Amino acid sequence: DQQVKQNSPSLSVQEGRISILNCDYTNSMFDYFLWYKKYPAEGPTFLISISSIKDKNEDGRFTVFLNKSAKHLSLHIVPSQPGDSAVYFCAAIQGAQKLVFGQGTRLTINP
Amino acid sequence: GAGVSQSPSNKVTEKGKDVELRCDPISGHTALYWYRQRLGQGLEFLIYFQGNSAPDKSGLPSDRFSAERTGESVSTLTIQRTQQEDSAVYLCASSRAGGTYNEQFFGPGTRLTVL
Repeated sequence: DQQVKQNSPSLSVQEGRISILNCDYTNSMFDYFLWYKKYPAEGPTFLISISSIKDKNEDGRFTVFLNKSAKHLSLHIVPSQPGDSAVYFCAAIQGAQKLVFGQGTRLTINP
Repeated sequence: GAGVSQSPSNKVTEKGKDVELRCDPISGHTALYWYRQRLGQGLEFLIYFQGNSAPDKSGLPSDRFSAERTGESVSTLTIQRTQQEDSAVYLCASSRAGGTYNEQFFGPGTRLTVL
């Protein structure tokens, strides 16, 4: 039972353009949604989060949008930079601290 | 060090052997988590410690898996009689406290290969 899904395993974007990563979830009880970024041979690092009571959170080049009625969230990166190339995981949390992760999307930024 | 550390970074073992994976959380972090990532998959939750007690063990896939934590310090994940399907990267994370959301900081992981 995959409660958090990232349906695009990979995404390729030109440097300077907008990258949009998508995530869908099934559990309406999730309290927070998070995006993690992962480079090879490293652990995931926290990028940005959003509470379930908000619909948008912005931090520099990164913005996360939450559409609760559609059970969908997205991460926008603008402008995209070569250092943004990594695997991005969407995750959700409910109450106790267990994070539920999506499968990840590999983002490649082309110069 | 300042971050979460894990050892070994890589472990190759034969099917049927036992393995121990170690995690050193960030000092002062009371909550500790184990996840695993199998090839091409997302991270799966295994177990959560608050101090040295484990209020949530729901992710442990079988009774071959167990974990311990000493106080608010080191944790060890033990896999007995390893199987090929146990091959994965095992990730540890720690955070300041459980109960409300606190950012989880991840270690680099241990890549386990069962031949």
